Amino acid sequence: GAVVSQHPSWVICKSGTSVKIECRSLDFQATTMFWYRQFPKQSLMLMATSNEGSKATYEQGVEKDKFLINHASLTLSTLTVTSAHPEDSSFYICSAAPHKQETEAFFGQGTRLTVV
Amino acid sequence: GNSVTQMEGPVTLSEEAFLTINCTYTATGYPSLFWYVQYPGEGLQLLLKATKADDKGSNKGFEATYRKETTSFHLEKGSVQVSDSAVYFCALIGSGNTGKLIFGQGTTLQVKP
Repeated sequence: GAVVSQHPSWVICKSGTSVKIECRSLDFQATTMFWYRQFPKQSLMLMATSNEGSKATYEQGVEKDKFLINHASLTLSTLTVTSAHPEDSSFYICSAAPHKQETEAFFGQGTRLTVV
Repeated sequence: GNSVTQMEGPVTLSEEAFLTINCTYTATGYPSLFWYVQYPGEGLQLLLKATKADDKGSNKGFEATYRKETTSFHLEKGSVQVSDSAVYFCALIGSGNTGKLIFGQGTTLQVKP
């Protein structure tokens, strides 16, 4: 149980285009999902907290107009990188917290984004 | 705010050596503590966790004890294998912060045959 699926696992896009990444909780409901970004050989930095049915909460320094987050259902959150540029190339990872369970979070397998 | 500090790597050990990766934290209240492992090119896997003081988390020969008096959660393994080579992240979820993990900077472990 407690499987989180992230899609795609990798994507290459041209500079200026937009890319959508999906994060699904397959066997549980997740009121809250989280999006992280990881640069090579660095730690995971929280970008935003995605709340089902409401606006996402962005961490300081994260551009909300560039990284659009939608959490339309209890099992799906999406991150759209708009007008991507090479500096947006990174590893993006989502996690999901089961409803009313604060001591656990399950991770997707990550998405490697390369902007050329 | 909440934070996690890990020892810097890389840590290089010979097979069957004893492993310790230090982790200390700063948090108000009673956070939950975690160790995650990341193999090259992959996402994160939960290795072990502890949710209250003096709890010991253990898995696959790894263990860590939640020490509130020293605000520490050091990872240990008695005999490492080459397959343990990976990046290890210490993390916490603060009281009342559902699922929101704060990570340490990660420690790379290299185990040589």
